[in-house]
Amino acid sequence: EIVMTQSPATLSVSPGERATLSCRASQNIRSNLAWYQQKPGQAPRLLISGASTRATGIPARFSGSGSGTEFTLTISSLQSEDFAVYYCQQYSNWLTFGGGTKVEIK
Amino acid sequence: EVQLVESGGGLVQPGGSLRLSCVASGFIFSSYSMTWLRQAPGKGLEWVSSLDSSGGTTYYTDSVKGRFTISRDNSRNTLYLQMNSLGDDDTAVYYCAKYAYVSGSNWFDPWGQGTLVTVSS
Repeated sequence: EIVMTQSPATLSVSPGERATLSCRASQNIRSNLAWYQQKPGQAPRLLISGASTRATGIPARFSGSGSGTEFTLTISSLQSEDFAVYYCQQYSNWLTFGGGTKVEIK
Repeated sequence: EVQLVESGGGLVQPGGSLRLSCVASGFIFSSYSMTWLRQAPGKGLEWVSSLDSSGGTTYYTDSVKGRFTISRDNSRNTLYLQMNSLGDDDTAVYYCAKYAYVSGSNWFDPWGQGTLVTVSS
């Protein structure tokens, strides 16, 4: 099983600042990575697939990068609605999720 | 607008059974693979099971193999998850989700709002 490790577990950021979230795979997954956003009491929402392709309707302030085993989700200027938990998911070999990064207001 | 609406969750005793349903609308249901995922209280996301557009090919995570059965009725635009021999570790919000594209995608968009399954005596 491919293990996905997200860091940090919690990220405290002020509105308007940049947030950088990391996701590491235990083996090479090429670009087979998706990112989701989950707000309290809501279902996850797809942000990015293929490590860097934004889903329909996702603002340009969200960007994904990386390949192989190291991936990054960057939120360029945090808005109030971006405070949430973010999960990465690999789909190179079956399907596994990272443990999530909570982005909270500093 | 694509919508997925789950139902069937509730409180069940250990060893009991439950069937979840997910009614889909806003897209050609019979063309898409579908999936169930779950999230234990306060925990992360876990993929549970998937099946292809015809329902002929199914996949399960190891912890539910032999206990859970995924199926679909394309005439009713409905996805099911039959859960038997439920244990405490099965307590979670269960989400159904659509594979993003008809083929070539193993990520999910959108997800339903979820239905809570609580296994407790």
